[in-house]
Amino acid sequence: EPEVTQTPSHQVTQMGQEVILRCVPISNHLYFYWYRQILGQKVEFLVSFYNNEISEKSEIFDDQFSVERPDGSNFTLKIRSTKLEDSAMYFCASSDKPGTSGYNEQFFGPGTRLTVL
Amino acid sequence: GEDVEQSLFLSVREGDSSVINCTYTDSSSTYLYWYKQEPGAGLQLLTYIFSNMDMKQDQRLTVLLNKKDKHLSLRIADTQTGDSAIYFCAETGGYNKLIFGAGTRLAVHP
Repeated sequence: EPEVTQTPSHQVTQMGQEVILRCVPISNHLYFYWYRQILGQKVEFLVSFYNNEISEKSEIFDDQFSVERPDGSNFTLKIRSTKLEDSAMYFCASSDKPGTSGYNEQFFGPGTRLTVL
Repeated sequence: GEDVEQSLFLSVREGDSSVINCTYTDSSSTYLYWYKQEPGAGLQLLTYIFSNMDMKQDQRLTVLLNKKDKHLSLRIADTQTGDSAIYFCAETGGYNKLIFGAGTRLAVHP
């Protein structure tokens, strides 16, 4: 069964460093998402991406964050200068259709745990 | 704004029914979802309900929706140890995104 994969599973970095989290969505999907979950808190939407453009982003997704689909299979989240509060589990998701009718089944990867020291 | 709340922990005995509750705020949500996360895995869609329904049954799972109170529940009948996981309630937040709760950790003991 097709699945979303994410690498690495755990990333440890120093504050101020750049990190790139990688995701391989399901191959025929066109809509891509990043979410994050700080330990003990809610899963929060960061950004959605379609047709090589950001469709929607949350307040969390500031200038320190960027997304890219560099080669037609990978979908990446870059954090330019990490802060302690960026420590969280980051989930990538993909779907084959938008939520225009309200129904939006998103397929999630296992997550990357980012620890900023 | 949009918000989803759920209790963080539930412990049940194997064979009993589990009921996980959730409240949401966006009355315009057309679909509400339950996702399951097993250790080391991503969030997997378990079931969903359309907002014009008040109940949906799928084998051991029953979803109840009270639109007036903006309350959603997931009942798992005959709970098994394999049901131990974190269960997330989510609503559709506009065009693209899902709005999640913090997840309820279900522990099943013998």
